[in-house]
Amino acid sequence: GQNIDQPTEMTATEGAIVQINCTYQTSGFNGLFWYQQHAGEAPTFLSYNVLDGLEEKGRFSSFLSRSKGYSYLLLKELQMKDSASYLCAVLTDSWGKLQFGAGTQVVVTP
Amino acid sequence: DVKVTQSSRYLVKRTGEKVFLECVQDMDHENMFWYRQDPGLGLRLIYFSYDVKMKEKGDIPEGYSVSREKKERFSLILESASTNQTSMYLCASSSTGTGDYEQYFGPGTRLTVT
Repeated sequence: GQNIDQPTEMTATEGAIVQINCTYQTSGFNGLFWYQQHAGEAPTFLSYNVLDGLEEKGRFSSFLSRSKGYSYLLLKELQMKDSASYLCAVLTDSWGKLQFGAGTQVVVTP
Repeated sequence: DVKVTQSSRYLVKRTGEKVFLECVQDMDHENMFWYRQDPGLGLRLIYFSYDVKMKEKGDIPEGYSVSREKKERFSLILESASTNQTSMYLCASSSTGTGDYEQYFGPGTRLTVT
């Protein structure tokens, strides 16, 4: 079966760093996505990892280890606007089908 | 900018009604997807389509059907709406040809079945 696990909720202070972990066991793996979703809005793309290693994009970085079935999203210099749900998703075929985790709600406090 | 639009933001229907949710994308994407999103369960795939006239069942197709008569339009149909289909429905599209698998999402339709 397909299994993608991420924590339900994380709380951090403005200016701090938060790391959201995602572990997966899927029947196929062609890459891993992270999406951000603010309440009442559509998910928006943050990152896509195909190869092992760290991809940095401004305040956000994403890491992948295919051998361990593990990824994390690192949010640095947290801002209040980063309060949102973060979705981990595995690309399970070569056509574009995604399997999503349940999402991690990040709450940023002043 | 890629744009995915959905016919309604909010919809209230009665049990037993036939419900149509429409999704249109303007980027000539081959792939289109329908998800439902429920608290604690994340996005679950209902149906997807890799080309016109093609459709594939996702993880939770029961109680739903789809139609893709034109490349830009993907419709989700609830043949006989039930209260357990109350949910947020999200449509997405993506391209295969460029190797960019990013899915672009519509704003969602919050459906309430009473």
